Amino acid sequence: QVQLQQWGAGLLKPSKTLSLTCGVFGGSLTDYKWSWIRQTPGKGLEWIGEINHSGATDYNPSLKRRVTISVDTSRSQFSLKLTSMTAADSAVYYCARVLRQLISEPPLFYYHSYGMDVWGQGTTVTVSS
Amino acid sequence: DIVMTQSPDSLALSLGERATINCKSSQSVFYSSNKRNYLAWYQQRAGQPPRLLIHEASTRLSGVPERFSGSGSGTDFTLTISSLQAEDVALYFCQEYYSDGRTFGQGTKVEIK
Repeated sequence: QVQLQQWGAGLLKPSKTLSLTCGVFGGSLTDYKWSWIRQTPGKGLEWIGEINHSGATDYNPSLKRRVTISVDTSRSQFSLKLTSMTAADSAVYYCARVLRQLISEPPLFYYHSYGMDVWGQGTTVTVSS
Repeated sequence: DIVMTQSPDSLALSLGERATINCKSSQSVFYSSNKRNYLAWYQQRAGQPPRLLIHEASTRLSGVPERFSGSGSGTDFTLTISSLQAEDVALYFCQEYYSDGRTFGQGTKVEIK
């Protein structure tokens, strides 16, 4: 049964870059997409972005300018970088496995995500001077 | 972005009662190419990450109790817990997978009266 274990710095100063990594244990990166989500008491849950094993990414338009998600298949892990952090970015950050299905719209074939079924334990990130 | 609005914000019911949570999207999340609604429901117990219950509006994930069911299409969706159990105390969220923002609802808190 696949498990996700995430790690990274939990306290950052304003303007710094958040860096988190999520390790995938007991499963393959290949057949799924992999996502980052964050949660605050005030704004609730916010999807940050996702990546597949080949490195193709989708980002939330509201964060796209500051986000980079990358994948390292040799280490079975994927990572999040969020630049120019402010207090508003303080949140619990989660990694998750994304279910996907193949959509056939000839000549186009692509994968569409439809739910996140395995989650990491969460990392509390606080931005403070 | 699509705005997802859940109602009510909270509800308190007795054990065994039916719980109904609504989720309304600001635009349709129905994908005409494959006739599916890209709407998921999650449960989040205190101190835990969210747990996927239902995807594509009405497909229950393997291992999710049968008392959880999802319905709806287009812009209006419902999560029903047919007989509320103590372990169902949690926050419940809907999420759309139609737009680039993959927006969540604000959450509904379910408690035991």
